[in-house]
This record gives sequence, C-alpha cells and structure tokens, in this order.
Amino acid sequence: QSALTQPASVSASPGQSITISCVGTDSDIGAYNLVSWFQQYTDKAPKVIIFDVRDRPSGVSYRFSGSKSGNTASLTISRLQAEDEATYYCSSFTIDSTVVFGGGTKLTVL
Amino acid sequence: QMQLAQSGVELKKPGASVKVSCKASGYIVSNDYIAWVRQPPGQGLEYMGRINFHSGAKKYMQKFQDRLIFTADTSTKMATMDLGSLTFEDTAVYYCARGLSRFDSWGQGTLVTVSS
Repeated sequence: QSALTQPASVSASPGQSITISCVGTDSDIGAYNLVSWFQQYTDKAPKVIIFDVRDRPSGVSYRFSGSKSGNTASLTISRLQAEDEATYYCSSFTIDSTVVFGGGTKLTVL
Repeated sequence: QMQLAQSGVELKKPGASVKVSCKASGYIVSNDYIAWVRQPPGQGLEYMGRINFHSGAKKYMQKFQDRLIFTADTSTKMATMDLGSLTFEDTAVYYCARGLSRFDSWGQGTLVTVSS
C-alpha cells in the first residue's frame, strides 16, 4: 500500500487561507469516507483535527475543515494563525482493512 | 476520553527485540482498538497494525508480519507491541493510538533506538 500524496510544504501569511491536498486511490480515499487529518508539532504526538472526511472533534477550531472529491481529500485552514504552524498528515482506511498515511505537509506561517 | 500512557525510552542492539507498553485510562468499550504507528527521525507516520481490546483480533501490516506481536489485556487496560529482529531502520518513535482510523487519543510516544 503506497503512502497518500501530500505536498511537502505550504506557506502563507496570517489571516490567509490554505488548502492541503491528499491524493489516494480507489483502494483508500475513494473507497470509504474514513479520511482523517492530524496536526503534529515538533517532538509531540499527532492530534486528530478532522475525522470521517469532514467531522471536527470537540475543541478543534472551526477554522479547520475537510472535504473529499473522488480519490482526493483536502484540508482547509482559514484565517491562519501563528499557532497553526505544524506538520499535517492525512490518513485513510483502506480496502485491506489497514490505514495509510500521507507523507506530511509542513505549514509555515510567514 | 481515553488517555494512553506509554513506557519509556529503549536502546537495543541489532537482532534484539523490544516491547513497548500502552496503558489506557478511562472506559474501554467493546469495539475499542489500539493501533500502533511509528515515526522514524525526521520522517512521516507509518501504520503498523492494530488489536481489538476485547476480542484480541489483530491486523498486522505485511512488512512486519513475521516479527511483530500485539497483545491487549482488558483487566489491566494494557496493550503491548513486541517487535523482534531489530535493525537500524527500526529506530523510531513508536505511538499507540485509539481507534480503527479516527485515532482520537495518542500515547506520548516511545523512542526506540537501535544501535550497536
């Protein structure tokens, strides 16, 4: 199972919006609505910010939103803040009943 | 919300085995899974597999099939991951996480270093 494809990095200024793509296949993203997004700060454990494509856990800012079209999932962060600077990973459940992660996208807030 | 606490740093020699534990606090429901995810230094996340806390049903990623063992004990709320035949490429932070794919709780991570 190959990793999902994410851009290695993205940058934007505070107040702007960014979208991170996550490209998979018919065997993962395209097969189920079981895409999650994780935020990870350096030397910290990942934290789920989106699950089941577009659901936000309690306590996660409304500025984070998820979507999916075909084999591509997307994470949008609106009204960027300095605290959003982190690495973001997507994941998807697969037809093999496993999970595959994306390679991660490092977000820099300029 | 379940919280997960993992065992401490490990230093192992090539060819050895390592056991990482993950203790859950809070209520464990019948369909709770514990997944294991690792992250080599400076790299991304890699899914290793999962175990159902109650049934003990396991799913291993094929690349680890021959040297990976998961256990879970509902009485102690403890899950463990045992990885054998270690090589330098197994150096990573190992995480336990709750769920089938949602992973809504994570342990703090356990650094396993393989060095001669």
